Amino acid sequence: DADVTQTPRNRITKTGKRIMLECSQTKGHDRMYWYRQDPGLGLRLIYYSFDVKDINKGEISDGYSVSRQAQAKFSLSLESAIPNQTALYFCATSPAGGLQGEQFFGPGTRLTVL
Amino acid sequence: AQRVTQPEKLLSVFKGAPVELKCNYSYSGSPELFWYVQYSRQRLQLLLRHISRESIKGFTADLNKGETSFHLKKPFAQEEDSAMYYCALSNQGGKLIFGQGTELSVKP
Repeated sequence: DADVTQTPRNRITKTGKRIMLECSQTKGHDRMYWYRQDPGLGLRLIYYSFDVKDINKGEISDGYSVSRQAQAKFSLSLESAIPNQTALYFCATSPAGGLQGEQFFGPGTRLTVL
Repeated sequence: AQRVTQPEKLLSVFKGAPVELKCNYSYSGSPELFWYVQYSRQRLQLLLRHISRESIKGFTADLNKGETSFHLKKPFAQEEDSAMYYCALSNQGGKLIFGQGTELSVKP
């Protein structure tokens, strides 16, 4: 089955460390997104990419960077992790020209920054 | 500003009772609104979209432009409806803006 996968699923790290979260998809979708989920705040968009050469900042991009290595891969990096980046991170995809608003989510990566 | 507000963090009802999860939005154009659901240990997934006017798993949601609301309703809640529900708005740029989420707990 076509899928969206995220690695790692869980990660504990220390303040100041560089962390990369990876997202891969076999759905053949052009569009990919990174969100973070915090209790009481819902999902907030960090970065998104509508194709391999397109990268856009979302609502809360400070402290994060991304790389779209291929249509199927979209990585999120925390250059110097800080404790308030502790959260659940989701990758999502959607097809260009698909039904507006339908995104397909990965299982999430739980990141803890000590 | 584009915003989605879900005023209830937690909604607890008994099985068989009616359920209404509230969602209000702020958007200057013609909104496209959605409800996403996240069951325990499952991925976030689309439940329904306003434009389809569909009923999914007994849930319906009507867009009320006058009240800028898109409340999710079900006449008789089931235990398997227990989950986290997110209201979302799609802007013309193809992005989703999510509300804060409401956790629905259906008790036996």
